[in-house]
Order: sequence, then structure tokens, then C-alpha cells
Amino acid sequence: EAAVTQSPRSKVAVTGGKVTLSCHQTNNHDYMYWYRQDTGHGLRLIHYSYVADSTEKGDIPDGYKASRPSQENFSLILELASLSQTAVYFCASSDRTGGSYEQYFGPGTRLTVL
Amino acid sequence: QQNVQQSPESLIVPEGARTSLNCTFSDSASQYFWWYRQHSGKAPKALMSIFSNGEKEEGRFTIHLNKASLHFSLHIRDSQPSDSALYLCAVSGGYKVVFGSGTRLLVSP
Repeated sequence: EAAVTQSPRSKVAVTGGKVTLSCHQTNNHDYMYWYRQDTGHGLRLIHYSYVADSTEKGDIPDGYKASRPSQENFSLILELASLSQTAVYFCASSDRTGGSYEQYFGPGTRLTVL
Repeated sequence: QQNVQQSPESLIVPEGARTSLNCTFSDSASQYFWWYRQHSGKAPKALMSIFSNGEKEEGRFTIHLNKASLHFSLHIRDSQPSDSALYLCAVSGGYKVVFGSGTRLLVSP
């Protein structure tokens, strides 16, 4: 049973439309993250959260909002989708066990903005 | 702000070869150093980590860390076609993790 799930797994959106990506974890982790990955490249941090009802900006937050209504759920919101936001989005969770903050990733959401 | 760089960008090696991947970082206060592996179309998954200078071996994989040189590496012994993937190094100093851009490894049979 997957510990981090994402929905939808893929989505096609129109430019200027609103997109919401959802993430759910059953790891009982405090920390949750949203990353984007552009084709064949590394991961860049968009937003993260270490407690419910609070979110923090990552390295590339412009054009994105996040929401953490509960420990288990973390959403990424694109209010006005743009072509440049076409990418694969990964959600991850972690805890502070041993101080390592190992990232446990969901399967990803492939977003195409047309 | 932490800057994490990987080299090479891509690598093709024959089956059975020893493979070396490199990662440099900029923040000397970094605490944990990771290698993640991502097979095509899949999510990244942690491979192994290290937090103190030296080396750590797990099966065919070895991490070397030199904090003074701001460098760590992953060595794969007896590379297998199943090792073909995108390898991402990552550095953390707390709950925020910064990833490198990845090395794409192809092991040819």
C-alpha cells in the first residue's frame, strides 16, 4: 500500500485556468513538500509545510500556492496556469528521524498546460 | 543559498564496470548527504545517505564524503543494466533538502 499518493496522475489544463494537485500521506510525517521536475532534470522545491494549517515558500514559489488542511493532506494550487508550468510534480513527506529528513515521494502528476 | 552541482550530466558504461558519480555543494554547514535513484517514469527513491566524513558501503554501492572539499560521490561496483536510471544527489541541513540536476546513467549489456 503506497504511503504517499497523488491525484490526478496526469492532467491537461488550459492557459489561465485553475489547477489543483492533491497529495495524501499515511506515513504520519510532519513534513510535506511539493517539487517540480522538468524533463530529465532534478527536483526544485516549490512549497513545503511542517505543520497543518501552515505552509512555507520554497525556492520557486512564484505562480503557486499551497494548502495543508491536515497532517495527511497537502495541495498545490495554480491559480492561473501558464505554459511554463508544464512539468511533472512530485509530493513528498519526511520526518526528523535521526535528523536525515529522508524524502518519501508520491508517484508524481504529469501536468500539461496548453 | 545552497548550490548543488552534479557531474557528469550523463554516462554510458558497459555491464560489469565501476561507475563514479560526483556531487559538490556550497554550504559547509550541511548535515546529511543523499543519493536518490529515479527509474524512467517513476518517483525518486532514496538509495543511501551519509552524515560524517569517510565512506559507507551498502552492497555494490559506496558513498564517499569529504566535507572540507564540499564534495561527495557515489561509486557503483559491477554495474548492472538495472542500475540504468537518473541519479540525484541531495543535501540537507534540516528539513529542507536541495537536489542536484541529476546524472543519467545507462549501463549497456
